Amino acid sequence: DGGITQSPKYLFRKEGQNVTLSCEQNLNHDAMYWYRQDPGQGLRLIYYSQIVNDFQKGDIAEGYSVSREKKESFPLTVTSAQKNPTAFYLCASGKGQAYSNQPQHFGDGTRLSIL
Amino acid sequence: AQTVTQSQPEMSVQEAETVTLSCTYDTSESDYYLFWYKQPPSRQMILVIRQEAYKQQNATENRFSVNFQKAAKSFSLKISDSQLGDAAMYFCACDRGSRLTFGEGTQLTVNP
Repeated sequence: DGGITQSPKYLFRKEGQNVTLSCEQNLNHDAMYWYRQDPGQGLRLIYYSQIVNDFQKGDIAEGYSVSREKKESFPLTVTSAQKNPTAFYLCASGKGQAYSNQPQHFGDGTRLSIL
Repeated sequence: AQTVTQSQPEMSVQEAETVTLSCTYDTSESDYYLFWYKQPPSRQMILVIRQEAYKQQNATENRFSVNFQKAAKSFSLKISDSQLGDAAMYFCACDRGSRLTFGEGTQLTVNP
């Protein structure tokens, strides 16, 4: 079955530590996205990529970094510069800008907490 | 900037009854798409229904339908014959060139 796999499901970060969240898709989608969800709030866009080796900042990119070396993979690094990283992180993929009528597909999420 | 507003943080409905969730949006785009997503306690995001802004006809998917008022920038979701499995957080979203902007969500409770 095609889908999006996020790992790990739960992640803990120590102060001053960088951590990387994994996102892999086998839907052959060109576009991939990272969202952050805080309690009582909707999803906010962190970074997105429309094509391999290219990505753009979303609305809350500070303290995060990404890479897109392969079509299937879009890892998110939460750096020590992100002072409030505790949240639920969702990865999504889609067919891209030319297919805006098509919905994005979401992974099951990673919950990141501070130790 | 694009904004999406859901003014009802919480709603409740009796099983088998009908409930309407509100959503308003603001966009400068002339061509855009609107979506309702459902997030049950498992936290998985599930597409409920979508609407193309250029279509006047309201979208329907089984028990789910929308009331799309383009001039008023309103996009409400109606759930008919509510079931216990409909209990979830519901998010309205607007697409801007394949970038989604989400509302803050409405928590729907279904009472047996």
